[in-house]
Amino acid sequence: AQTVTQSQPEMSVQEAETVTLSCTYDTSENNYYLFWYKQPPSRQMILVIRQEAYKQQNATENRFSVNFQKAAKSFSLKISDSQLGDTAMYFCAFMNPTGANSKLTFGKGITLSVRP
Amino acid sequence: AAGVIQSPRHLIKEKRETATLKCYPIPRHDTVYWYQQGPGQDPQFLISFYEKMQSDKGSIPDRFSAQQFSDYHSELNMSSLELGDSALYFCASSPQRRSTNRNEQFFGPGTRLTVL
Repeated sequence: AQTVTQSQPEMSVQEAETVTLSCTYDTSENNYYLFWYKQPPSRQMILVIRQEAYKQQNATENRFSVNFQKAAKSFSLKISDSQLGDTAMYFCAFMNPTGANSKLTFGKGITLSVRP
Repeated sequence: AAGVIQSPRHLIKEKRETATLKCYPIPRHDTVYWYQQGPGQDPQFLISFYEKMQSDKGSIPDRFSAQQFSDYHSELNMSSLELGDSALYFCASSPQRRSTNRNEQFFGPGTRLTVL
């Protein structure tokens, strides 16, 4: 079974600065996907970024980028130029897309607060 | 763009009552997932359907059942409700298997169930 670990329960960052959220996972699979989801106070689950394990290049989406270290099973999210609207819970998630097992396994999440 | 629709958005029930949650996936999405998110918790996978057949099962109690209909909408039926069933229930859908973003899950806004 896969596990996802987010060891930091909370983080705080000053507006316009950069913050990195950590995530590690454990799997014996070679092909999988990793995601970061944002859950603001509205509780909507919003996909921030995704990474395919067979791609060595780190994914980027505007101010969001990841540092994917496959050997270390690490998948951190970097948020640049933090904005007040980035305040939310962030979940790291794992998916094994083979066959029927394409469910998402989430970490416990991290609460990010952006200070004005 | 069309999103995943869930109804009702809020539901209050008494212990031992039944509840039915509905999910309408994005058009041309053939896979539906149900997740349960307790207070302060990460989402937990319950069950999924692909082309109207159950494709995977997670930590879903025997008191719960679900199905996917011919129009691809899905219903989660919950009986003998317990206080611990109070949670946010998400439905997510993903595109048909030949789609390029096949492995992305698009979440609905959730149904908040409160059991008194």
